[in-house]
Amino acid sequence: GQQVMQIPQYQHVQEGEDFTTYCNSSTTLSNIQWYKQRPGGHPVFLIQLVKSGEVKKQKRLTFQFGEAKKNSSLHITATQTTDVGTYFCAGSLGSARQLTFGSGTQLTVLP
Amino acid sequence: NAGVTQTPKFRVLKTGQSMTLLCAQDMNHEYMYWYRQDPGMGLRLIHYSVGEGTTAKGEVPDGYNVSRLKKQNFLLGLESAAPSQTSVYFCASSYDLWGPRHFGDGTRLSIL
Repeated sequence: GQQVMQIPQYQHVQEGEDFTTYCNSSTTLSNIQWYKQRPGGHPVFLIQLVKSGEVKKQKRLTFQFGEAKKNSSLHITATQTTDVGTYFCAGSLGSARQLTFGSGTQLTVLP
Repeated sequence: NAGVTQTPKFRVLKTGQSMTLLCAQDMNHEYMYWYRQDPGMGLRLIHYSVGEGTTAKGEVPDGYNVSRLKKQNFLLGLESAAPSQTSVYFCASSYDLWGPRHFGDGTRLSIL
């Protein structure tokens, strides 16, 4: 079956440093979605990428979809303590029925 | 706006007991989902619904049943709870079938 692997599993950064998490799929995806979950909270939808090579920005967050549509990355510039949480990617072959979540990257930001 | 509301927030059951988790959304979304989240893992889809009166199986449907009698409500039932069903359950909704967009706060369920 479809597998979505996310690395690293954990990342500790000093406040102000950059952070990147990577998502890799065993199969070509139709789209990839990113979510953030604060400790003890619920997932929050961040963005969906559909096109090959697509790059989208949300303030300090940059999302990228690979040319082959098998990988994606989320980059945070100059992390802040409010960025703490677990970031999940979810790759889909089409609909939500075929959406597979990665295991997440847990980000800790040290003040 | 409440968004997606789940009840209860916490529950402890004994093996073999049954219960129903309630989910309500006030955004008039057609699509609703039930996920489970286990430690160190991403979300796994249990069941989903594409509209009132319809339900479909997700990745891990065994041991669960669902119903969507009203558009705003999506119920998840455990017929005979097992320790393997100890998890955090999230309900979600969306306006399209690309994937979940709005999540409830979750139900933390422990089966002893």
